Amino acid sequence: AQTVTQSQPEMSVQEAETVTLSCTYDTSESDYYLFWYKQPPSRQMILVIRQEAYKQQNATENRFSVNFQKAAKSFSLKISDSQLGDAAMYFCAYRTYTGTASKLTFGTGTRLQVTL
Amino acid sequence: GAVVSQHPSWVICKSGTSVKIECRSLDFQATTMFWYRQFPKQSLMLMATSNEGSKATYEQGVEKDKFLINHASLTLSTLTVTSAHPEDSSFYICSARAGLAGGPGNEQFFGPGTRLTVL
Repeated sequence: AQTVTQSQPEMSVQEAETVTLSCTYDTSESDYYLFWYKQPPSRQMILVIRQEAYKQQNATENRFSVNFQKAAKSFSLKISDSQLGDAAMYFCAYRTYTGTASKLTFGTGTRLQVTL
Repeated sequence: GAVVSQHPSWVICKSGTSVKIECRSLDFQATTMFWYRQFPKQSLMLMATSNEGSKATYEQGVEKDKFLINHASLTLSTLTVTSAHPEDSSFYICSARAGLAGGPGNEQFFGPGTRLTVL
């Protein structure tokens, strides 16, 4: 079974600074997706960024980018120019590539605080 | 992204009663729906996966007789917590996907969640 590990329960960053959230995963498959989701205090899950394992290029979405190291099974999220609205729980997630059994496996989450 | 709604957003019930939570995909047909449970300060734990018109597939350790899932149409799935007890108090989140398989672009969209408190 796939597992997703987030070793940082809490992180703090100053506004306008950069922060990196760590995620590692374990799988025997070669094709899969990796995601970062944001859960603000409203508890609505919001997709931040997605990475397909077959793509070597790291995904970027505006201020958010990932460092995907397939051999190391590492998938970190970098948030640049942090804003107060970035404060939330961040969950790393894994999903198999295809198949009816495809479902998300979440990590334990990292709570990000953004300070002035 | 696509919109998934849940109703109610918050419910309080007495121990021993049953509670139904609805999950609707508003602007797409959800072939597959997922139900998650989230305890305070914890991650989302998948309870079950349901495909429209089929019986739900429950994760190990989830009581299927206690958490009844119905996915009768392509836009509606319901989760009924039967004979609820205080330990069932939690945040329940549904998620919907347009396709059966998790192929490219076939993303899951999440509802806003339902907070259940059992007294």
